Amino acid sequence: KQEVTQIPAALSVPEGENLVLNCSFTDSAIYNLQWFRQDPGKGLTSLLLIQSSQREQTSGRLNASLDKSSGRSTLYIAASQPGDSATYLCAPNTDKLIFGTGTRLQVFP
Amino acid sequence: NAGVTQTPKFRVLKTGQSMTLLCAQDMNHEYMYWYRQDPGMGLRLIHYSVGEGTTAKGEVPDGYNVSRLKKQNFLLGLESAAPSQTSVYFCASSYSIAKIYGYTFGSGTRLTVV
Repeated sequence: KQEVTQIPAALSVPEGENLVLNCSFTDSAIYNLQWFRQDPGKGLTSLLLIQSSQREQTSGRLNASLDKSSGRSTLYIAASQPGDSATYLCAPNTDKLIFGTGTRLQVFP
Repeated sequence: NAGVTQTPKFRVLKTGQSMTLLCAQDMNHEYMYWYRQDPGMGLRLIHYSVGEGTTAKGEVPDGYNVSRLKKQNFLLGLESAAPSQTSVYFCASSYSIAKIYGYTFGSGTRLTVV
């Protein structure tokens, strides 16, 4: 059974810092891994999708890496902004998406 | 292109009442999913469907039923609501080749059972 752990559970940083959010999963037989953002009281917005054959994927200030063999993915956020404040969820896909409990990020001015 | 639409957005039920949550997608996706999200528990898969007329159990199926009579719709039913079913419910959909395209989520239904 896939288990997903996200570290840290919460993070509070000043604006401008570069951030690292970690995700680990127990079943490495994944097709892909998706990172989502969730604002309070809202739905999930897909940020990045990394295929199992890829090592990383980039979108703007976001960069996600994947080490499938070790069961790890990392989301890098460059030059953080208050608008980045949200909960970030990773979800490896092994036929079904299984979620971690997320990292709650607060970026203050 | 509306994506994934969930109705209703909010609902309050009394214990023992029944209701149906509707999920509709206009992307011609084969697969559809129902998740629930609870504080500290993350999102957990309730039921899913790999095509019209098919359904399967996820991690937490007890107390729920589903139907997929049309490809674009996936219904989640609560026959006799319990306070433990107070949660936020999310629907998602994907192509059968979710390996390549990933999942799209709806905006959620906030359900309170009193």
